[in-house]
Amino acid sequence: QVQLVQSGAEVKKPGASVKVSCKASGYTFTGYYMHWVRQAPGQGLEWMGWINPNSGGTNYAQKFQGRVTMTRDTSISTAYMELSRLRSDDTAVYYCARDLNLVPAAPRGWFDPWGQGTLVTVSS
Amino acid sequence: DIQMTQSPSSLSASVGDRVTITCQASQDISNYLNWYQQKPGKAPKLLIYDASNLETGVPSRFSGSGSGTDFTFTISSLQPEDIATYYCQQYDNLLITFGQGTRLEIK
Repeated sequence: QVQLVQSGAEVKKPGASVKVSCKASGYTFTGYYMHWVRQAPGQGLEWMGWINPNSGGTNYAQKFQGRVTMTRDTSISTAYMELSRLRSDDTAVYYCARDLNLVPAAPRGWFDPWGQGTLVTVSS
Repeated sequence: DIQMTQSPSSLSASVGDRVTITCQASQDISNYLNWYQQKPGKAPKLLIYDASNLETGVPSRFSGSGSGTDFTFTISSLQPEDIATYYCQQYDNLLITFGQGTRLEIK
């Protein structure tokens, strides 16, 4: 079945970087956009950006420009999200989610499935 | 960036009630609006796409309507398993924004 499996929880110090992985299975990895969404404790959903796994092209939310990098390794059907210069307010669960619209058509925000989430804690 | 204003932020209703949540976009987004349900400790689930289309497998008591800047999400008869937080989400010009969410509780 279609599945996204993310890497495990991370604890980082302020100023450090974190890289979260998202391994896809059950479908053609390069056929669908991958998005990253985060959720701070008790807060709402915040979209961070997407990557086109076929071309490697990316589009980031303005808030994260300059701090986030999304990449992929097509040989192992895995997407990555790296966030740098971490602050305490970056503490959140980070999700990857596949967009149901096929590349190269534009992403439509139809997210299914989602990964299980990765808790990133930023604390000194 | 397009801003989404979702209301109310929380809602308490009885089983069997009709529940309505609204979402307003800061500019015209046509029908580029989706609705998600998130239960505690779980990833969100897509319920409605393109404003009014029910995702496969989603019960017919859920519905959506609207276009342009004003959108509505309705549960026709609230069930206990519908307790969750609901989010609207817009997609326009390759960017995506979520509303602030509506926490739905049973009265």
